Amino acid sequence: EIVMTQSPLSSPVTLGQPASISCRSSQSLVHSNGNTYFNWLQQRPGQPPRLLIYRISNRFSGVPDRFSGSGAGTDFTLKISRVEAEDVGVYYCMQATQFPNTFGQGTKLEIK
Amino acid sequence: QVQLVESGGGVVQPGRSLRLSCAASGFTFDIYGMHWVRQTPGKGLEWVATIWYDGTYKYYADSVKGRFTISRDSSKSTVYLHMNSLRAEDTAVYYCARDTYLMDVWGQGTTVTVSS
Repeated sequence: EIVMTQSPLSSPVTLGQPASISCRSSQSLVHSNGNTYFNWLQQRPGQPPRLLIYRISNRFSGVPDRFSGSGAGTDFTLKISRVEAEDVGVYYCMQATQFPNTFGQGTKLEIK
Repeated sequence: QVQLVESGGGVVQPGRSLRLSCAASGFTFDIYGMHWVRQTPGKGLEWVATIWYDGTYKYYADSVKGRFTISRDSSKSTVYLHMNSLRAEDTAVYYCARDTYLMDVWGQGTTVTVSS
C-alpha cells in the first residue's frame, strides 16, 4: 500500500498571504502508462470533498488560479498564492495510480 | 447538471447488512469508473471500493474485502455498495465519487451507523 504523508497537518494563515502544503508518497506514483495519478482535494466544513488539482498540476473546472500544484515522483506541493476566507477547510492529497487508492491525513487550513 | 446522490444509510446492528445506492445524473454513466469512499467522524478519507466503467474489474480495501460488494446497474445509472457483517468500525459517512483516476464528482454522502 502506498502511504501518503502530508505536512503540515495544520496551517494557520493570514488572509491575503500564501500557503503551501506538501505531500510525500512512499513510492513513485508514475503509472505504467506514464501518467501520475496524484490529486489534491478540498473539503470545506460540512461539505463533501471537491477535486482541486488532478495529475499533479491541472486545475479542475472552476478552481481559481490562485491554486497551483507541482511535483514529481514522490514529492508534491499545493500552493495558494493569496488565501481567501473561502479557502478554509481540510486539504487532502491522494493517489489513484495503484490500488488501494490512498489519501493523506489531511491538512487543516485556518485563518489566523 | 452532473450529480451523484447517495441513499440507503441508517442505523444498523453489528453483523447485519445494508445496501447503499448512488444515483448518477447529468453525464454518461457507462463510461466512468465509480468509487465508494468513507469518512469516519472527525477523521480522514478512506477508499472503500472501485468498479470499472463496464463492471469488469472491482477492487476493495482490505478492511472490507469479503464483506462488501460493489456493483452497478447501467439501466438505472446507479452504483451500489452491498455491506454484510457490519462492524462498529464501519460507522462512517459513505460517499460515491466518479472517475477511476480523478474522483472529480462527489455526492453529498450517506451516513451509516453500526451500533447495538
